[in-house]
Amino acid sequence: QSVLTQPPSVSASPGQRVTISCSGSSSNIGRNYVYWYQQFPATAPKLLIYRNNQRPSGVPERFTASKSDTSASLAITGLRSEDEADYYCAAWDESLTTVLLFGGGTKLTVL
Amino acid sequence: QVQLVQSGAEMKKPGASVKVSCKTSGYIFSGSYIHWLRQAPGQGLEWMGWVTPSRGDTFYAQKFQGRVTMTTDAAIRTVYMELSGLRSDDTAVYYCARDRSSGWYAGLRDNWFDPWGQGTLVTVSS
Repeated sequence: QSVLTQPPSVSASPGQRVTISCSGSSSNIGRNYVYWYQQFPATAPKLLIYRNNQRPSGVPERFTASKSDTSASLAITGLRSEDEADYYCAAWDESLTTVLLFGGGTKLTVL
Repeated sequence: QVQLVQSGAEMKKPGASVKVSCKTSGYIFSGSYIHWLRQAPGQGLEWMGWVTPSRGDTFYAQKFQGRVTMTTDAAIRTVYMELSGLRSDDTAVYYCARDRSSGWYAGLRDNWFDPWGQGTLVTVSS
């Protein structure tokens, strides 16, 4: 089965901009929507982005996302300490089987 | 507000089965798919499948086919996930999540989850 690849960790200082990448293939990101979730320790994930770049109500405009070919990225501007969390990308994969794949997650540290 | 409240932690022996419940409130029960996902300790998220609350239609990830059963009880707005043949690597926090999409958008699969249940820890150990 295909995989979605994220960097294990990223870090930046408060106020800065950080990006988290999600690399896939033609069978997943290349042909389907990408979603992003935020998860704090010992809590359930929270939806950040749906359909590549759409923010649900309540998600700050500091969170933006994009997709190009077989890769996607999440950008956070004006970084705050409360943004420190794990971030996961997700996309349907239709190669050998049909499955909703998640990336391995990226731990964001606010220095 | 929309809430998904899951049953409590479970401890099972290898080979046993576990059934986790997810009680919903705050929205039209028949209007949203419910998905199940899991997260092993220190690991990422893994999608298991979905169930339609009204008709009980299901779609499971191939990895879990034959071992997982997702059902619903509309009278009490509750969805269940039963996993059989438990192994130690099934130890994980299991989540239910409400699908905010209809399943398709502009010809593409579309499923996004909001909110999630609080999670149920299932520990498999002899």
